[in-house]
Amino acid sequence: QKEVEQDPGPLSVPEGAIVSLNCTYSNSAFQYFMWYRQYSRKGPELLMYTYSSGNKEDGRFTAQVDKSSKYISLFIRDSQPSDSATYLCAMMGTGNNRLAFGKGNQVVVIP
Amino acid sequence: KAGVTQTPRYLIKTRGQQVTLSCSPISGHRSVSWYQQTPGQGLQFLFEYFSETQRNKGNFPGRFSGRQFSNSRSEMNVSTLELGDSALYLCASSQDGNTEAFFGQGTRLTVV
Repeated sequence: QKEVEQDPGPLSVPEGAIVSLNCTYSNSAFQYFMWYRQYSRKGPELLMYTYSSGNKEDGRFTAQVDKSSKYISLFIRDSQPSDSATYLCAMMGTGNNRLAFGKGNQVVVIP
Repeated sequence: KAGVTQTPRYLIKTRGQQVTLSCSPISGHRSVSWYQQTPGQGLQFLFEYFSETQRNKGNFPGRFSGRQFSNSRSEMNVSTLELGDSALYLCASSQDGNTEAFFGQGTRLTVV
C-alpha cells in the first residue's frame, strides 16, 4: 500500500464549478499537509499548508483534513480557466523532513 | 524576496556521464530537499540537507549524491547516468525542514 493515494484521473469542469480533490494516507505519523499546484513545465507552487484537522480557507481555496479518517481534501470554488493545472497533495511527519506526494490530479477548467 | 533558483533549467547528457545540478534556496532557509519527478512514479524524495548535513535519504542508489554549502546552497550529483534517470529534478527549501516547502522550477534532465 502506498503511503499517499491520490486517484490520478483527469478532471474537467466548466468555469465557475466547484473542484473537489482528495487524498488518503496510511501513515499515522503524518502531521503536516500541503496542496501544491503545478503548471506544465513549472515547479510545484504551494497553495495550502495545514497541520491540524478541520478546514482552512484561503480565498477560493479550502483545505480539509480529517486525521481520524486519514483523508484530506481541497476545494476550489468559482473555478477559473487559470486554475487548469495538476494538483498534488503532500504530507510529512514531525521531524521527518521528507514530503510524501500523491500522484496528482490534472484539472481542466473549460471556459 | 527571491524564490528558489535551480540551474541549469535543461540538460541533455549521454549514458555513463555524470551531472551536477545546483539549487539556491530562499534567503534564510536552511533546509534543502531534492525530489525526482517522472510521469510514472510522480514526485519521489531523494535527500534533505540542513546546515551542511544530510538528515534524510530516500530509496535511490548511491549514484545519487548531494551536498550543501555553508550559505545553504546545495548541489546534487548523479554519476554513471542511465536512461531511466531522465526526469525533472526539483529542489525545495524550507526554514527548518518542518515547515512550508517552496519549490524551484526544476532542472529537466534528458539522458540519451
